[in-house]
Amino acid sequence: SQQGEEDPQALSIQEGENATMNCSYKTSINNLQWYRQNSGRGLVHLILIRSNEREKHSGRLRVTLDTSKKSSSLLITASRAADTASYFCATDKDNDMRFGAGTRLTVKP
Amino acid sequence: DVKVTQSSRYLVKRTGEKVFLECVQDMDHENMFWYRQDPGLGLRLIYFSYDVKMKEKGDIPEGYSVSREKKERFSLILESASTNQTSMYLCASLLRPSYNSPLHFGNGTRLTVT
Repeated sequence: SQQGEEDPQALSIQEGENATMNCSYKTSINNLQWYRQNSGRGLVHLILIRSNEREKHSGRLRVTLDTSKKSSSLLITASRAADTASYFCATDKDNDMRFGAGTRLTVKP
Repeated sequence: DVKVTQSSRYLVKRTGEKVFLECVQDMDHENMFWYRQDPGLGLRLIYFSYDVKMKEKGDIPEGYSVSREKKERFSLILESASTNQTSMYLCASLLRPSYNSPLHFGNGTRLTVT
């Protein structure tokens, strides 16, 4: 069964703006991961945040995790047209990886 | 860099055919997974394997079986393909059964059953 649920389902922004995607989940986790998928391709791992971490950065990506609310957010700053893709959160509990349905991000040049 | 290779990008098969989807990883990963991806449903786990000749059912194993005779290869088998198995199939591998490791995905196989 799905664990994570992303919100919004779709997001359209202009180049240079920030994009924020949210993920909610239901059970305890070891870590939460974000993946990106370009159209028709496999998923690429972006960032992993452990359950005892609250915030993590990687380049233009910022991820937060609130285990009390069972939620996470992914912020992409200064977006580019090349960021257009689908973004998925995945929860990991003892290597049982569960994905949400994803957020489709469109960045207009 | 880890490479997960799925043998076919696109497949078209007829209803009732037996279908084999192959996946090979080159980094000695212990765990391997098969997901299917459908619009609005995200990725759903079909089967996974944590060792050679070992397999575990995921959320939607009905109509599928798997084979892992060698550590690097994990095959998904559709015993008798049906139109509702038309989907994108994604294979993934995981370094070891420890915490905090990311999945490495292949590029996917888009299967159409007519």
